[in-house]
Formats: sequence, C-alpha cells, structure tokens
Amino acid sequence: EDQVTQSPEALRLQEGESSSLNCSYTVSGLRGLFWYRQDPGKGPEFLFTLYSAGEEKEKERLKATLTKKESFLHITAPKPEDSATYLCAVQSPNAGKSTFGDGTTLTVKP
Amino acid sequence: DGGITQSPKYLFRKEGQNVTLSCEQNLNHDAMYWYRQDPGQGLRLIYYSQIVNDFQKGDIAEGYSVSREKKESFPLTVTSAQKNPTAFYLCATSGQVFNEQYFGPGTRLTVT
Repeated sequence: EDQVTQSPEALRLQEGESSSLNCSYTVSGLRGLFWYRQDPGKGPEFLFTLYSAGEEKEKERLKATLTKKESFLHITAPKPEDSATYLCAVQSPNAGKSTFGDGTTLTVKP
Repeated sequence: DGGITQSPKYLFRKEGQNVTLSCEQNLNHDAMYWYRQDPGQGLRLIYYSQIVNDFQKGDIAEGYSVSREKKESFPLTVTSAQKNPTAFYLCATSGQVFNEQYFGPGTRLTVT
C-alpha cells in the first residue's frame, strides 16, 4: 500500500526566511510525485510533477526536488502570500489513483 | 472559460436525508475523482472514474454512491448510511489517470 508522510505538520517563517518541506513516501514503483498548494476553504492547486530521482522543478520562489525515498519543497525568501497548506501525493503504476499526505501548513509572517 | 464547477458551495441537511453534490467539468478530461477532507487532514478518496459508465471505489466508499453517465458530470450522493457526512468535499479531474489532478472549489456539507 502506498504511503505518504509530510513534515513538519506546521511551519512558521519570517518573511525572507528560506526553508524546506519534506514528503517521504513508500510506493511500489513511482509513476509520479505531485505537489499541490491549498488555500483555506479552496480546492488544491497543482504546482509540480516529478517523475524520477534527481529531477528538479522550479516556479517563482518554489523548487521541488526528488530522491528515491522523499521529495523536498524548498521555499526561497518566502512572502506572506506563500502562506498555505502544501500537499504531496504519489502515484504507483498499478494504482489508478493518487495517495495524498496530510500536508504542511506554512505561515509566513511579514 | 475552462474549469470545474461544484455546486452548491455550502449545503445543509438533516440527518437521515440523502444529498447529491454536483461536479461538472469542461476540460474534456477522462478521469474524475471525489475526495473528502476533514479539518487538518489530507484528502481521502471516495470514488473515481477513468471513463464514462465506469467507476471504482476509493478508500472510503461506504455510505456514498456515484454515477458517470456523461464525460462532463460525476455527481456524488451522500446517503443516510454515511455515519459522519459533515466534511469538505472536493471533485477533481485529470486528462489521464496518471496525470496531475485539477480540483474544483469544493462543497462544504453540514449534516445536523
């Protein structure tokens, strides 16, 4: 059974203070690892897909990386508008569905 | 304007009543999904459909039912058999099963 564990559960940063969110996964063959951003009371918004170890994707202040056991979402010089819950999900070749982690709630103080 | 529509945004029902949540998409995506999200938790899969007239149970299907008669529509019925129906319900689509998912705005259901 596919499993995803995200840490920390909550992260508070000062504006400009860079940090990383972790997504550890167990899957029988990784078909894809996905990162999403969710604002309170809204549906998640797709950010990145990573397919193989060593792959990196960037978007503005966010950079996602992937190893064989975990993925990191690096946030460089965050701004208050980056405050949200970040969700990680994995998909294995045999599953017609994604397995989601519980998310990391990021708060960036001005 | 392409997207996913869920209606209504807020829904209130009395215990013992069935209720149907709407999900419509004009993205021409084959796969559609229903998730439930409880406070402070991640997404739990209720049902998913890879193609019209076909759907599979997810991890928490008990007390729910779906239909997929049209590519654009994937309604979810929360039956009286669902013991704790109060939650935030999210519909999602993807072009293919192994692709990223796109989510609707959600329906918050409260049952009292």
